[in-house]
Amino acid sequence: AQSVTQLDSHVSVSEGTPVLLRCNYSSSYSPSLFWYVQHPNKGLQLLLKYTSAATLVKGINGFEAEFKKSETSFHLTKPSAHMSDAAEYFCALSGNTGKLIFGQGTTLQVKP
Amino acid sequence: DVKVTQSSRYLVKRTGEKVFLECVQDMDHENMFWYRQDPGLGLRLIYFSYDVKMKEKGDIPEGYSVSREKKERFSLILESASTNQTSMYLCASSLWGGTSYEQYFGPGTRLTVT
Repeated sequence: AQSVTQLDSHVSVSEGTPVLLRCNYSSSYSPSLFWYVQHPNKGLQLLLKYTSAATLVKGINGFEAEFKKSETSFHLTKPSAHMSDAAEYFCALSGNTGKLIFGQGTTLQVKP
Repeated sequence: DVKVTQSSRYLVKRTGEKVFLECVQDMDHENMFWYRQDPGLGLRLIYFSYDVKMKEKGDIPEGYSVSREKKERFSLILESASTNQTSMYLCASSLWGGTSYEQYFGPGTRLTVT
């Protein structure tokens, strides 16, 4: 069975410091993986996706993620957090029918 | 840009009412999805559709039905609303035919059932 686990439900960083949001996955085949961001009372916006090309994927707003097959991980990073990055982040895996399997979400708090 | 719109941002209904949530996408996507989002539970798939008049149950279809009469429009129906259906409802669409296609989301409808 396929699954996604976001290892932290809440992450707090100071503005200007690095961000690390962790995501592990389980899949019986090589998956496509996605990170989405959701600002309060908004829909989800795609940050980046991995589709079996380069393992280091760059996304919008300075975010990037690295696909590590040996560790079954797809962690999201950003070198320097901005106040505007405060939001909820979802890691997702694409099933074989095009459906997405989501993690539980990680709330990122950015302190001034 | 892909645009997915939902008919209401906020909705308040009474227990037992029939509720319609409408979703429209403008990118000619084959797939459309309805999710509900609850704190601590992430997004859970209610129903999805991969073509007009085609639908499949997701993980939590009980108490819901859907309709897709036109490619661009996907409706979620709560036949008899209950308080445990108070939630944020998100619609999404995507291309059909591969696992690498991302889903595009609407802004969500926050439904309160009293």
